[in-house]
Amino acid sequence: QKEVEQDPGPLSVPEGAIVSLNCTYSNSAFQYFMWYRQYSRKGPELLMYTYSSGNKEDGRFTAQVDKSSKYISLFIRDSQPSDSATYLCAMRKAAGNKLTFGGGTRVLVKP
Amino acid sequence: NAGVMQNPRHLVRRRGQEARLRCSPMKGHSHVYWYRQLPEEGLKFMVYLQKENIIDESGMPKERFSAEFPKEGPSILRIQQVVRGDSAAYFCASSGDRPWAGDTQYFGPGTRLTVL
Repeated sequence: QKEVEQDPGPLSVPEGAIVSLNCTYSNSAFQYFMWYRQYSRKGPELLMYTYSSGNKEDGRFTAQVDKSSKYISLFIRDSQPSDSATYLCAMRKAAGNKLTFGGGTRVLVKP
Repeated sequence: NAGVMQNPRHLVRRRGQEARLRCSPMKGHSHVYWYRQLPEEGLKFMVYLQKENIIDESGMPKERFSAEFPKEGPSILRIQQVVRGDSAAYFCASSGDRPWAGDTQYFGPGTRLTVL
């Protein structure tokens, strides 16, 4: 069983819709949570970084962390075709800097 | 451009040759990480280095792979005697010195290695 599970998609939504992404994890030692966006044949780009359980909002992006359920989410409001990409969740333990990634969810926003 | 730089962007090698991948961290960053992304898979951690030190190499294959981050110059990921299974995208990331204060990892554009 993988430490971090993420539905590979693809997730297809119409422009303007809310995109909902999530990851589950099995190791309660994970304390820091990140979402990266990766366009085809490019490097991952950091979108959100959270530590505690709860919500964090940045523009059209909202990240949620529920440590008791070992579940994290990313919501993208007013989605645009330019949001079409693969979204990777990543997490890190308190000790050590190694990131553990989910497999990524491919998102397609149709105009 | 103050971002993480990697070169070459594309590298083609024949089986048995050596591959050298280079990474220059963001300005002010002294921590470097290498990850590998196999086709249709997520990123997998390989190694974490600070200047002149390997901190965590738990993700490195035991043979043929090595990494360094010298006092001067870029970090190097070296793959000796490449095989077809080494074909992948190799990403470098860098971070500042304070992960507990929110420093996180920023990624370069990657080197795509193709082994013929």
